[in-house]
Amino acid sequence: DGGITQSPKYLFRKEGQNVTLSCEQNLNHDAMYWYRQDPGQGLRLIYYSQIVNDFQKGDIAEGYSVSREKKESFPLTVTSAQKNPTAFYLCASTIGRGQYGYTFGSGTRLTVV
Amino acid sequence: GENVEQHPSTLSVQEGDSAVIKCTYSDSASNYFPWYKQELGKRPQLIIDIRSNVGEKKDQRIAVTLNKTAKHFSLHITETQPEDSAVYFCAASKDTDKLIFGTGTRLQVFP
Repeated sequence: DGGITQSPKYLFRKEGQNVTLSCEQNLNHDAMYWYRQDPGQGLRLIYYSQIVNDFQKGDIAEGYSVSREKKESFPLTVTSAQKNPTAFYLCASTIGRGQYGYTFGSGTRLTVV
Repeated sequence: GENVEQHPSTLSVQEGDSAVIKCTYSDSASNYFPWYKQELGKRPQLIIDIRSNVGEKKDQRIAVTLNKTAKHFSLHITETQPEDSAVYFCAASKDTDKLIFGTGTRLQVFP
């Protein structure tokens, strides 16, 4: 299924709760990314990692955290500090630096209840 | 930082007509410009890309043009079909490979 797996597909969060979105790839890609998709706003970068044990903030990192302990895995935690977390979250990977397109996961739809 | 603007936000065409989506970017150092297609409820998929040393690239009914001087690039779809209906995103990046996306164009092709 494209080599990059996101889980769960749907996630419901209560107010004040932290939740973690999973992203796993078996493409041997070095770089991994998290984007948030809201209607009419395209894809906005949350965090990215170009190598294990290193990651950088994107444009909308506040209220989110990540880790990159393994090359294959790049989980995203949505913390209670994120005031408007309801969105579609997409994980992507690419082979590394340079001019290569992304492979996207199938996404996680997060809803606050 | 880089900013990518995309127009129009929605586009409706008759089957068989052509569709053109335009993007402008702000960082003159950007050198890679991919286009993604996202069908309803699915993941974005790369459909074509162009690098800054090329002015035009074609793949069957799809073409992309790049004007580095004006800092804009366009997606052209000819002989549109209903299955072309989707949201299309442009993006731009420099050598650091972090893509900045446009806001998307919803294309509807009517039979």
